[in-house]
Amino acid sequence: QVQLVESGGGLVKPGTSLRLSCAVSGFSFSDYHMAWIRQAPGKGLEWVAYISGSATTTYYADSVKGRFTISKDNAKNTLHLQMNSLKAEDTAVYYCARDKFVGSSSPSDSWGQGTLVTVSS
Amino acid sequence: DIQMTQSPSTLSASVGDRVTITCRASQYINKWLAWYQQKPGKAPKLLIYKASNLESGVPSRFSGSGSGTEFTLTISSLQPDDFATYYCQQYNSYLYTFGQGTKLEIK
Repeated sequence: QVQLVESGGGLVKPGTSLRLSCAVSGFSFSDYHMAWIRQAPGKGLEWVAYISGSATTTYYADSVKGRFTISKDNAKNTLHLQMNSLKAEDTAVYYCARDKFVGSSSPSDSWGQGTLVTVSS
Repeated sequence: DIQMTQSPSTLSASVGDRVTITCRASQYINKWLAWYQQKPGKAPKLLIYKASNLESGVPSRFSGSGSGTEFTLTISSLQPDDFATYYCQQYNSYLYTFGQGTKLEIK
């Protein structure tokens, strides 16, 4: 069955970097667009970054553009989010999520359990 | 970016009630709208896609409607398991923005 497992979260200081990973299984990873979506404590959902199945196209929220980089290792079935110049407002649970349909715009039908990133001095 | 506005932000209801949540988009999104349910400490769960299509395994008491800029999620007869927070999301254009959420509470 489809599984997504995030890792790499933790407590870091402002201005530092962190790399999140999402290991996937149960589907053809290279076919699917993927996203990182975050949720600050007690707040709503924020769509952060997107990458196409072939990893040729990416999109970012304005709040992270220039600081975060999404990447996809189709050989290792792993999605990454490199987060640089972290700010306190980046504190959130980060979820990786898979598009429901191959090759077209679609919502996320499979989600990981989330990994908590806390940015604090 | 397309802004999504949900109402109400909080809704108090009883088991057996029929409830409706509204989601408005700041610009035309055709039917490219999804609804999610989220419980505390858990990842969101997809309920409805393309405005009115029920995700596999989701009970038929959930339904969605609308197109263009106005959408609704209806739960026909609330069950204890339905008390949660609900989010709409547009996927007409990147970024795929979410509404701010509607918390459904037990009255």
